Order: sequence, then structure tokens, then C-alpha cells
Amino acid sequence: GAVVSQHPSRVICKSGTSVKIECRSLDFQATTMFWYRQFPKKSLMLMATSNEGSKATYEQGVEKDKFLINHASLTLSTLTVTSAHPEDSSFYICSAKGTGYNEQFFGPGTRLTVL
Amino acid sequence: AQTVTQSQPEMSVQEAETVTLSCTYDTSESDYYLFWYKQPPSRQMILVIRQEAYKQQNATENRFSVNFQKAAKSFSLKISDSQLGDAAMYFCAYRPFYTGANSKLTFGKGITLSVRP
Repeated sequence: GAVVSQHPSRVICKSGTSVKIECRSLDFQATTMFWYRQFPKKSLMLMATSNEGSKATYEQGVEKDKFLINHASLTLSTLTVTSAHPEDSSFYICSAKGTGYNEQFFGPGTRLTVL
Repeated sequence: AQTVTQSQPEMSVQEAETVTLSCTYDTSESDYYLFWYKQPPSRQMILVIRQEAYKQQNATENRFSVNFQKAAKSFSLKISDSQLGDAAMYFCAYRPFYTGANSKLTFGKGITLSVRP
């Protein structure tokens, strides 16, 4: 149980375009979803926390207008990278936590490359 | 604020041998969770083991066990009978005990473990 999927697994886009990444909890209701960014051989950096039906809470230094997060249902959260630039290229990971669980469950990640 | 420190960036172990990965943390809380996560080349984060701070007994999961020293704020992971599939990046993580929706994980920098055949 407790499976989290992400789509797409890889995306390449041109500079200036927007990209949407989906995170879904497949077999449980995710009251909270977390979005992380990870550079090669580095740790996960928390970008924001989203609760279903409310605005996301962004970590210090993360531009909320740049990284739009929506958590419209208990099984889906989306991260939209707006006006992407090459420096936004990274590996983005989501995780989800549901009521009664003591741990977060991680998605497989999305590799974003901005040309 | 809580911090998690993994001071060794890399380690290597011979197949079938035992290796210990170190982690220290800093917190003013008395109750919390500690985790070890494995991230293989696929980059899927996999939970290896979890320890509740209020439990004195060290957690074990098959070949994986921890040495939890609460007073010293130390949480090391021992991998016994190392296998080639254990090669990965390992992250130590801390989470407050309260189960509020926004209880966040704090990760260490990670350690890359290689396994020599």
C-alpha cells in the first residue's frame, strides 16, 4: 500500500515555457503533500508543503509565483514551474502523508531539463 | 531549529561485510522520529528504518539496524551482510513527534555507499 506516482518522469522544455508536474496518491488520501528539489548527489530541499484545499506554505527563498502549487483533491497535487529557465533544471520529488500514517511516501521524481 | 548532520560524504564496504553509517542531530524536543532513507540510482526514496525517540529499543529491519543514542543525539545505521543492491545514497532524517499535517522532515546531506564485489 501507500503508493505515490508522479507524472511525467522526465520533461524537457524550452526556456520561457511553463511545465506542470503531477503528484498522485494512488491508494490513500493525502492530507498533506510535500514538494522537494534535489540537485545531483545532494540532499532533498523542501520547497513547499500543501494541504488539500488550502494555499501552500513555501519555504524561505522559494518563489511562490515561480513554483505554483495546487492541492485540489486528497489524491492530487500539482507543481507548475512558470517561465522556466535553465537554472530551474533539477529533479523534483513529491511526497504524501495521510491521516494515521507516521511517515511520508515518496513519488519516483521528475527530471526537468530546461533548454 | 532542528539540524541533521551526516559528516561522511562517502563510504565503501566489501560485499558480505558490515558497515555503519553515522548521523547526529540536534533538537530541543524530547519526542520525535528518526529515519534512514535509501536512494538508489533510480532516485526513488525508500524508507529503510524508523525509530521513535520514546522507544529505548533500537529498531531493526532484517539486515538493517540502528544504534540510537538519545542523550548523545546519535542515530547510526548498521548494514550487515552487505549486498551489491545496498549501493545507494543514504539519508538520515528527523521529524517532530506531533502528527500535525505540516510536520516536516529534516534531511542530512546524505552519504554515498558503494559496495565492492
